[in-house]
Amino acid sequence: QKEVEQNSGPLSVPEGAIASLNCTYSDRVSQSFFWYRQYSGKSPELIMSIYSNGDKEDGRFTAQLNKASQYVSLLIRDSQPSDSATYLCAVNRDTGNQFYFGTGTSLTVIP
Amino acid sequence: GAGVSQSPSNKVTEKGKDVELRCDPISGHTALYWYRQSLGQGLEFLIYFQGNSAPDKSGLPSDRFSAERTGGSVSTLTIQRTQQEDSAVYLCASGRGVLGSTDTQYFGPGTRLTVL
Repeated sequence: QKEVEQNSGPLSVPEGAIASLNCTYSDRVSQSFFWYRQYSGKSPELIMSIYSNGDKEDGRFTAQLNKASQYVSLLIRDSQPSDSATYLCAVNRDTGNQFYFGTGTSLTVIP
Repeated sequence: GAGVSQSPSNKVTEKGKDVELRCDPISGHTALYWYRQSLGQGLEFLIYFQGNSAPDKSGLPSDRFSAERTGGSVSTLTIQRTQQEDSAVYLCASGRGVLGSTDTQYFGPGTRLTVL
């Protein structure tokens, strides 16, 4: 079982819609959760981090964490074509500071 | 301030040659990570440095891979006797090294390695 699992997609949404990206993780001791955006040929850039159960909002982005279900999601409201990228979910345990990344979900926002 | 920098941006080498990849972390960041990303794949953890502590080498795929970090800043990843399966983008990231698990990583632009 992989540490972090994501649906590889591709996920296509029309411009202005809500894009929903999901991630599950296997280790219950995981404490920190991150969403990165990676444009083709570029390096990952941090979008959101979340540490507590519930929702965390930042502009058009909302991260949702449910530790009981070992599930973290990213919602992108009012999706724009510039949001088209691969979104990587990352998880950090409380020990060792090693980060585990999913394989990413490819998102395409159709104008 | 400057972000994480890596050099070279591209490296083409022949099978069996050794290569060195360099990473300059963000100034003041004590945590430094190396990952590799193969085409269409996620990030594979290679090695982690934190300050003066012994590095976490648990992700290195073979003894052909090694890394060092001089003076707690610049890091070099060395791949000896390169193989075609080593072809990938090698990404370096740095972080503040916050105790516990709330650190954040900032990535460099990567080095694309092609082994012919």
